[in-house]
Amino acid sequence: QKEVEQNSGPLSVPEGAIASLNCTYSDRGSQSFFWYRQYSGKSPELIMSIYSNGDKEDGRFTAQLNKASQYVSLLIRDSQPSDSATYLCAVAYSGSARQLTFGSGTQLTVLP
Amino acid sequence: EPEVTQTPSHQVTQMGQEVILRCVPISNHLYFYWYRQILGQKVEFLVSFYNNEISEKSEIFDDQFSVERPDGSNFTLKIRSTKLEDSAMYFCASSGDGAYGYTFGSGTRLTVV
Repeated sequence: QKEVEQNSGPLSVPEGAIASLNCTYSDRGSQSFFWYRQYSGKSPELIMSIYSNGDKEDGRFTAQLNKASQYVSLLIRDSQPSDSATYLCAVAYSGSARQLTFGSGTQLTVLP
Repeated sequence: EPEVTQTPSHQVTQMGQEVILRCVPISNHLYFYWYRQILGQKVEFLVSFYNNEISEKSEIFDDQFSVERPDGSNFTLKIRSTKLEDSAMYFCASSGDGAYGYTFGSGTRLTVV
């Protein structure tokens, strides 16, 4: 069974702080990793993709991938109240590049 | 910015009835997907579609489900005989290349009563 695990939270951080979201996955052969943001009652919105070990930065967001540890994380710098949402980790497993397996999400609240 | 459009936004149907959920993917995308999310649960893969045929499907996508691209723009999900447990948010998505993540539509909330 291919699993994606996330801390469900809720995670609360003060405005301006760094929020750190973590995800582990079960299939060592996985190749593609995504972070989606989902506001309550809305659809997932792609915010980051990462394919290689290391860090990838996009504005206030940094995705980190460690394939040896089967671990992917998302850092949000200078967190804003508008970042309050559920963050979903999604993995494309080996042999199934068209299918994403999602974690249950981490609920983030940024306190003004 | 291009969007994936889904209609209707909310559909209520009686158990046993057939429903068709409609999607207009982004025009130059080649891969199309349906996912669902039962309230409070994970987003789950249903099916992927490429070159006018199903490329992958999950265990959820049984004989009660079918997909179709009836013309050059629409992509539909049909549930033949709805059950109470089919109540969920159904998301259509499309991508130019599945390896680079998808764009999701705004979803159809299906309520089976």
